[in-house]
Amino acid sequence: DAKTTQPNSMESNEEEPVHLPCNHSTISGTDYIHWYRQLPSQGPEYVIHGLTSNVNNRMASLAIAEDRKSSTLILHRATLRDAAVYYCILRVNGNNRLAFGKGNQVVVIP
Amino acid sequence: GAVVSQHPSRVICKSGTSVKIECRSLDFQATTMFWYRQFPKQSLMLMATSNEGSKATYEQGVEKDKFLINHASLTLSTLTVTSAHPEDSSFYICSASSAEVPSNQPQHFGDGTRLSIL
Repeated sequence: DAKTTQPNSMESNEEEPVHLPCNHSTISGTDYIHWYRQLPSQGPEYVIHGLTSNVNNRMASLAIAEDRKSSTLILHRATLRDAAVYYCILRVNGNNRLAFGKGNQVVVIP
Repeated sequence: GAVVSQHPSRVICKSGTSVKIECRSLDFQATTMFWYRQFPKQSLMLMATSNEGSKATYEQGVEKDKFLINHASLTLSTLTVTSAHPEDSSFYICSASSAEVPSNQPQHFGDGTRLSIL
């Protein structure tokens, strides 16, 4: 599984945007970039995914670097409910597996 | 959106008991289901992958006779922890996918089962 690198943890103030970085320098041309988050004592929740272009949905935006070696998940206005571990995962084309790394623990400060 | 239901959410039982956990896809046909285990303060570890109607594929180090997986239909997979011991206490999570082009589709996760063996 191709590797991703994320900060161990980040803090954000409530109501402010949060930018969560992810490095994936060994990404191949057909790997999709997926983001999931896990709230305490719950299963992971899908957030967003993309291949080359930036993506927006109701939860977040995903900005993908032109060389695809890094990406940034953007939460536009952090709420206390956004406090979770965020996982950046590369999904290999033709492979259903998701390999979870340690993720980025996001703390939202009221 | 797609929903995966996992049951029970919490089990507390004595050592030596076998415990069955169910994972159901409620509104889609799950051709593939995954079982993960998560210890406190750690990430999810994939235990096995099951495809409907065939034997599960276990990850290295996971005992297939200890963790029995059945995926008899497109909406139900079960994980049975046989003769559970305290070291099997963990958070077990299932996920399901129906994608023909899997890398372009999200996986949907259950809410997990907290297993505590006394």
